[in-house]
Amino acid sequence: AQRVTQPEKLLSVFKGAPVELKCNYSYSGSPELFWYVQYSRQRLQLLLRHISRESIKGFTADLNKGETSFHLKKPFAQEEDSAMYYCASGAGSYQLTFGKGTKLSVIP
Amino acid sequence: KAGVTQTPRYLIKTRGQQVTLSCSPISGHRSVSWYQQTPGQGLQFLFEYFSETQRNKGNFPGRFSGRQFSNSRSEMNVSTLELGDSALYLCASSLDVGKNTGELFFGEGSRLTVL
Repeated sequence: AQRVTQPEKLLSVFKGAPVELKCNYSYSGSPELFWYVQYSRQRLQLLLRHISRESIKGFTADLNKGETSFHLKKPFAQEEDSAMYYCASGAGSYQLTFGKGTKLSVIP
Repeated sequence: KAGVTQTPRYLIKTRGQQVTLSCSPISGHRSVSWYQQTPGQGLQFLFEYFSETQRNKGNFPGRFSGRQFSNSRSEMNVSTLELGDSALYLCASSLDVGKNTGELFFGEGSRLTVL
């Protein structure tokens, strides 16, 4: 079974500081990995997916198969980045396995 | 485009009762998934439907069931409710294009409280 681990429940950083939200996955095949975000009073929404290799709102995430990690990074945190972040993995279907989430709090 | 709509938004039931939750996907989306969200277990996959067929099912007891209609609208049902079924039930739709893009569009959820 797939498993996604987000070791930090809460991460607090100062505005302008770098951010790294950790995500580790367990899957023997070639997983598809995603980061979803939920801003206050908004719906859960896709932030980025590894297959796109894109940067969204300044965030990037690199898949490291050796370390089975998919950490989310941003060089300079903004107050509007404060949200709940979920890492998720899929395996060729719409059945996603989510981590338990990390609440990012950006301190002004 | 209207987003994913879930009804009812809030409901309270007692143990032993049953509940039906409804989900209207984004127009044109044919895949509908359901997730249960609780503080302890986080987001857990319940099932996914495409063209009225259940394609995947999570590790939940048979009390949890669902269906999808020809217009892609979906319902899920929980019978013989237990206290542990109290949760936020999220529906998500997706534009199935043959390859999983993983982009799920979530509704606001139906918050079920079982007393």
